Amino acid sequence: GNSVTQMEGPVTLSEEAFLTINCTYTATGYPSLFWYVQYPGEGLQLLLKATKADDKGSNKGFEATYRKETTSFHLEKGSVQVSDSAVYFCALSNMNRDDKIIFGKGTRLHILP
Amino acid sequence: EAGVAQSPRYKIIEKRQSVAFWCNPISGHATLYWYQQILGQGPKLLIQFQNNGVVDDSQLPKDRFSAERLKGVDSTLKIQPAKLEDSAVYLCASSWDWADTQYFGPGTRLTVL
Repeated sequence: GNSVTQMEGPVTLSEEAFLTINCTYTATGYPSLFWYVQYPGEGLQLLLKATKADDKGSNKGFEATYRKETTSFHLEKGSVQVSDSAVYFCALSNMNRDDKIIFGKGTRLHILP
Repeated sequence: EAGVAQSPRYKIIEKRQSVAFWCNPISGHATLYWYQQILGQGPKLLIQFQNNGVVDDSQLPKDRFSAERLKGVDSTLKIQPAKLEDSAVYLCASSWDWADTQYFGPGTRLTVL
């Protein structure tokens, strides 16, 4: 079945550092890939998505490229801010009516001022 | 636009007691989802409604969990009786249709003692 594996946290970085959170997946067919973010005390929010190979999703300075050859969708940001501190979830879905979104376990990110 | 509303935000009960959670989705959203998020894990879909019909409840422990969305708007999720392993955050999400972006509520944190 489909699955998502993302790097374990917590990840602690200083402000303005470069961020990479790794995500790899196993899926049948050609799934859509997502990154969700959960800020403290809030619900999950869609951060970005990509629906086909080589697509790049981007939002709020974050980027992720759908790499079919390596089955990866790593999240990157060139210069993180304290306000980026949150839990980040990689997820996939085959986007069929009967297919559910499969989430990774989440990676907690701490940004130090 | 108002977001997905959930109540209560926190609930503490003893094992074998019953509990109910309420969700009010974004106005006009046809699809409603209930997820269970155990500490340290990603959300797991419990049940998905399309209007007032169930699309997927394959991961709902039906011996103790039930959910309804009688008028195709609000939804309730019930646990009866609760077990210790039900301690989790219960998230509600909604979307315009089954393939669209899901918007999440803040969740209900359940502690079973």
